[in-house]
Amino acid sequence: GAGVSQSPSNKVTEKGKDVELRCDPISGHTALYWYRQSLGQGLEFLIYFQGNSAPDKSGLPSDRFSAERTGGSVSTLTIQRTQQEDSAVYLCASSLGTLSVAPDEQYFGPGTRLTVT
Amino acid sequence: AQSVTQPDIHITVSEGASLELRCNYSYGATPYLFWYVQSPGQGLQLLLKYFSGDTLVQGIKGFEAEFKRSQSSFNLRKPSVHWSDAAEYFCAVVGSYTGRRALTFGSGTRLQVQP
Repeated sequence: GAGVSQSPSNKVTEKGKDVELRCDPISGHTALYWYRQSLGQGLEFLIYFQGNSAPDKSGLPSDRFSAERTGGSVSTLTIQRTQQEDSAVYLCASSLGTLSVAPDEQYFGPGTRLTVT
Repeated sequence: AQSVTQPDIHITVSEGASLELRCNYSYGATPYLFWYVQSPGQGLQLLLKYFSGDTLVQGIKGFEAEFKRSQSSFNLRKPSVHWSDAAEYFCAVVGSYTGRRALTFGSGTRLQVQP
């Protein structure tokens, strides 16, 4: 079946502009994660959605970052007033979201490479 | 909070040679442990995971990893490396008592395979 998809694959924007990154999770997956991969910070968690629960926003680096998940499926990560340090690959992952003690496997999308000039 | 250390930034091995990538974690209990691989331009793919039980776990592509509680380690091994194994490898953990499901990653080890 289809995996996690992300769009666009590449985005170049000017400093100060807002950007929106999209993630389509695997159908039926109720959990969705955003991560950021950058040269300076490695792979870091940003935000986590689980069903209808309030999202875990503990990884968002500043209030310029926000994310929403509509209808429990597609998610959009928005970065306002982009800065050069926001340049990174933004990865989305989804998982079944079962409430078992052990975590479900996360399936990753190919990422969106964001370049802020 | 949990953390992961991958001490080797870059490793080069010859094709057919054995491989061991190191991973050490810091956590107050046994976390859930993972190894992921990222090939150039590709997303992350799960190689294997350890939750409990047998400390030697088998994964895809001929990889295995051994959990050693006394050393807080979860090293990845492969007996004979293929050129297609050239990629970046990430060790990751999920804390077993935090209720938080997000992965905490190490800084990665880039593997180069010489012919």
